[in-house]
Amino acid sequence: DTAVSQTPKYLVTQMGNDKSIKCEQNLGHDTMYWYKQDSKKFLKIMFSYNNKELIINETVPNRFSPKSPDKAHLNLHINSLELGDSAVYFCASSQRDKHTGELFFGEGSRLTVL
Amino acid sequence: AQKVTQAQTEISVVEKEDVTLDCVYETRDTTYYLFWYKQPPSGELVFLIRRNSFDEQNEISGRYSWNFQKSTSSFNFTITASQVVDSAVYFCALFSSNTGKLIFGQGTTLQVKP
Repeated sequence: DTAVSQTPKYLVTQMGNDKSIKCEQNLGHDTMYWYKQDSKKFLKIMFSYNNKELIINETVPNRFSPKSPDKAHLNLHINSLELGDSAVYFCASSQRDKHTGELFFGEGSRLTVL
Repeated sequence: AQKVTQAQTEISVVEKEDVTLDCVYETRDTTYYLFWYKQPPSGELVFLIRRNSFDEQNEISGRYSWNFQKSTSSFNFTITASQVVDSAVYFCALFSSNTGKLIFGQGTTLQVKP
């Protein structure tokens, strides 16, 4: 079984559309993250949720709205997509009280905005 | 502020050469964790190693070795007798227990030619 799974793996859409990426982890972790990897391969944290509560929000445009229905799921909804949103989005999870930073990453979701 | 710098953007070597990937970090935390991840052409992030700030012992795992030096804030990664399959983007990362963030360096693209 995949520990952290993201869907879809590939997403191609037009500017202005709204899209969602889903993430699920079966590791029993209490913290989940979204990272964005741009065309230059730079990986940057976007959001983090702990037990469904937002704990990190890295000045991401409010067109991006994460939602955590429970601690095993963290979805990313993006409104009014722009060309610059094209990237690979990685979901990750960890157990916060371990304080070790060991994140388990999903395989990534490649979003292409045309 | 936390920062990770990988000054080498791209490195190209011929198979069987040894190669060292540099990583320099900045943090004011006394407790932190350092990581290396590999991202092969298939795109997933593969965890290689985690080191905590209190453990400066160097580590060797097969052809991989890591040199952690707090005095110079460096955590360098050496691949001995490189192979074509080592071709990937390698990321150094820093986790702060205070902020709960895993911050990545810019990545070093390693190309190993046959």
